[in-house]
Amino acid sequence: NAGVTQTPKFQVLKTGQSMTLQCAQDMNHNSMYWYRQDPGMGLRLIYYSASEGTTDKGEVPNGYNVSRLNKREFSLRLESAAPSQTSVYFCASGWGTQNYGYTFGSGTRLTVV
Amino acid sequence: GDSVTQMEGPVTLSEEAFLTINCTYTATGYPSLFWYVQYPGEGLQLLLKATKADDKGSNKGFEATYRKETTSFHLEKGSVQVSDSAVYFCALSYNDMRFGAGTRLTVKP
Repeated sequence: NAGVTQTPKFQVLKTGQSMTLQCAQDMNHNSMYWYRQDPGMGLRLIYYSASEGTTDKGEVPNGYNVSRLNKREFSLRLESAAPSQTSVYFCASGWGTQNYGYTFGSGTRLTVV
Repeated sequence: GDSVTQMEGPVTLSEEAFLTINCTYTATGYPSLFWYVQYPGEGLQLLLKATKADDKGSNKGFEATYRKETTSFHLEKGSVQVSDSAVYFCALSYNDMRFGAGTRLTVKP
């Protein structure tokens, strides 16, 4: 049972390049999330998808786009990477109700130079 | 808006010491509260949760009690081990999941 799988694990981009971070879950969860983790700031929500076919902005959506491809997959795209987007990105999934926690992937460490 | 504040780290303890990591929250409704743990190079793992006032969550020797009167959810463990070294995040869930900044714990033999 893989849980939440993220690819790639590491990536270095040049300023202005684009890339897509992939996430897939095999727990039949309804909701999926993208967070970024920066030192001293905890996790901040970028985008989320409450159910297949819907996406909504979180706390820090600027510079990102997302696609909920199907119930299993939720991708995050950086159209024109900036150094401020250097971070560790985590995908998570959950049932979408407040009483249940999330299952997290192992993260993508992105460096923009 | 809803938010979580947890004690700043890092926290360094000797093996078998008592651990407390403070967490307080601000919320307009009645959130559920969580503690997550992150080991080096890994994602966050759910450690324990409490969904209503006076509930106690527990797992792997860790405990936390949902205190509505003090808006707190402090994490405690009676005797820490080297393997407990990690970053601990307090979180609340109401409309979405909000995380504290994390507290790094190092346990020395």
